[in-house]
Amino acid sequence: DAGVIQSPRHEVTEMGQEVTLRCKPISGHDYLFWYRQTMMRGLELLIYFNNNVPIDDSGMPEDRFSAKMPNASFSTLKIQPSEPRDSAVYFCASSLLAGGPVLYEQYFGPGTRLTVT
Amino acid sequence: RKEVEQDPGPFNVPEGATVAFNCTYSNSASQSFFWYRQDCRKEPKLLMSVYSSGNEDGRFTAQLNRASQYISLLIRDSKLSDSATYLCVVNRQHNDMRFGAGTRLTVKP
Repeated sequence: DAGVIQSPRHEVTEMGQEVTLRCKPISGHDYLFWYRQTMMRGLELLIYFNNNVPIDDSGMPEDRFSAKMPNASFSTLKIQPSEPRDSAVYFCASSLLAGGPVLYEQYFGPGTRLTVT
Repeated sequence: RKEVEQDPGPFNVPEGATVAFNCTYSNSASQSFFWYRQDCRKEPKLLMSVYSSGNEDGRFTAQLNRASQYISLLIRDSKLSDSATYLCVVNRQHNDMRFGAGTRLTVKP
């Protein structure tokens, strides 16, 4: 099993540029999550999808952030325009509500380390 | 106040020691509870679920007190490989997880 795949693994960009982070969840999983982790704020839930539909985006910091899930095997998190305070590790995770060994267990991707200069 | 609070540590213990982590949560409607482990510069991974009756997995024991909204993790006979950050996680509803900031553990020879 390939696990959750994220790309790119590292991204360095200048303030004002558009950044797009990509995620491929585990095949068959019906939930997909985007998190952001910083030393100051820890791991924060930004948005999650169920069956490709956004369920809760209350964690999205502001209008500069947007997320889409056009199909069950792909999601993007876009930041436009990016700012230095967006520098963080962004994790994508997926889960299967029913049928797994642990209800609600989330499987995380390796993360994208974003640096905005 | 954060929804899930943990002592950030760090906890520095010798091999073979017993160490306990605590966590409190504020949402009384929370439905399920977990401990995740995160190694340095890696992604979080599920360590164990936490059940009301308490549960054990080898050297690890998790306890839940719903009345006090308190969760604990006990590690016995610590190994060097236990060095990591331990994240307390609370599921509000419908797979909406809230993570604590984590407690860092370093086990020394």
